[in-house]
Amino acid sequence: AQSVTQLDSQVPVFEEAPVELRCNYSSSVSVYLFWYVQYPNQGLQLLLKYLSGSTLVKGINGFEAEFNKSQTSFHLRKPSVHISDTAEYFCAVSGPSGGSYIPTFGRGTSLIVHP
Amino acid sequence: EPEVTQTPSHQVTQMGQEVILRCVPISNHLYFYWYRQILGQKVEFLVSFYNNEISEKSEIFDDQFSVERPDGSNFTLKIRSTKLEDSAMYFCASSEAPGVGELFFGEGSRLTVL
Repeated sequence: AQSVTQLDSQVPVFEEAPVELRCNYSSSVSVYLFWYVQYPNQGLQLLLKYLSGSTLVKGINGFEAEFNKSQTSFHLRKPSVHISDTAEYFCAVSGPSGGSYIPTFGRGTSLIVHP
Repeated sequence: EPEVTQTPSHQVTQMGQEVILRCVPISNHLYFYWYRQILGQKVEFLVSFYNNEISEKSEIFDDQFSVERPDGSNFTLKIRSTKLEDSAMYFCASSEAPGVGELFFGEGSRLTVL
């Protein structure tokens, strides 16, 4: 079985500061990793994904994430955040766990950007 | 831009009542999903649907739940007899392919059971 841990339920940060949202996963097999973002009153939308290849993945809105297999992590980073980045961020993992590719989500991290 | 739409956005119901949540997936997608999120908790997988039948379901998806695609466009989640613990945000999603494909989510339907 696979699972996702997002240790930080809330991350407050000032505008233009860098941010890192942490995600750790557990899985006994190869995985695909995703970050989704949910803006207020909207559905989840894909920020970026890691399937294979380069461990540094770039996504929309200046976000990037690095897959670290030894630490089973897929942390999300942005060098300089904007007020509009205030949202809920969800890490997800999928892979051939018992033949299933259904994504498993974490509980989300609320990014709050202050002016 | 194509999107997944869900109705209603918010429903309040009495315990024991039946509820139907509706979703219109993106038209060329073949895989459909329901997830739910109880306030403050994880987004949990309920069920996936492909080729007019359930392809996978979680332990949460017991006999009180059912899904169907009645008319080729709508994808519905029915809760037969709601319980207090069914109060949650329910998300519908669709994708072109399972696994590596991106899931496209609707805005969610908030269900409150009193």
